[in-house]
Amino acid sequence: QVQLQESGPGLVKPSQTLSLTCTVSGGSISSGSYYWSWIRQPAGKGLEWIGRIYTSGSTNYNPSLKSRVTISVDTSKNQFSLKLSSVTAADTAVYYCARDHSSSSLGWYFDLWGRGTLVTVSS
Amino acid sequence: SYVLTQPPSVSVAPGQTARITCGGNNIGSKSVHWYQQKPGQAPVLVVYDDSDRPSGIPERFSGSNSGNTATLTISRVEAGDEADYYCQVWDSSSELFGGGTKLTVL
Repeated sequence: QVQLQESGPGLVKPSQTLSLTCTVSGGSISSGSYYWSWIRQPAGKGLEWIGRIYTSGSTNYNPSLKSRVTISVDTSKNQFSLKLSSVTAADTAVYYCARDHSSSSLGWYFDLWGRGTLVTVSS
Repeated sequence: SYVLTQPPSVSVAPGQTARITCGGNNIGSKSVHWYQQKPGQAPVLVVYDDSDRPSGIPERFSGSNSGNTATLTISRVEAGDEADYYCQVWDSSSELFGGGTKLTVL
C-alpha cells in the first residue's frame, strides 16, 4: 500500500527558503500516470494547492505562489521536494504532499495524502 | 478568478441527511471532488468526479453537480461524520478549494 511521508525543518526564519521532501513508500513514484502535489493549510484555515510535478520533471504551479515555488523529483530515491523562497509568517502552515489522479474531465484530484508537517516561519 | 463558495457550517441530527453545497459560476461544467478532514488529520477523498466514491467510502456519501451548485450528500449521518468538508475543482491551470464546511452532528 502506497504511503506518503513529509519531512523537513519545522522552523524556518523569515526571508529564508522552506524545504520539504515527500517520500513515497510501498510503490514506485514512477508507476502509473500520477502527478505529485504539495498542498498547505494554515492553522484554522482552508486548503491551498501549491503545485505538482510529474516524474518526467514537468511542473504546474499555483499562479499566486509561482514566483517563489520550485518542485523537483528524485525518482532514484522515490521522493519529490518543495522549495518555497522568501518566506514570511503568512507561509506558516501544515504542508501536505499528495498523489494526483487524473479527473474524468480537466484537472486532477488527490486520492492519497501524507500526514502533513507543520512549518512555522519565525525568527 | 474562479471562486468556490461553501457554507461555513451545517448541522444535522444523527440519522438525518446532510447536504453540503459548493457554489461556483457554471460549476456544472467542471468535475468536482470532495474531501473530509477530521481534526488533526489529513484530508480524505470521499467523492470524485462529481459523484464517484473511492473504494472504502460508505455508500452514504454521494455527490451531484449541476448549474452553479455542486452538492455533497451524507445520508443517515453518524457521529463519526463530524468533520470539515472541502470541495475542489480545476480552473485556469490551478486547483482550487472551497473554504470548507464544518459539519456538526447534533
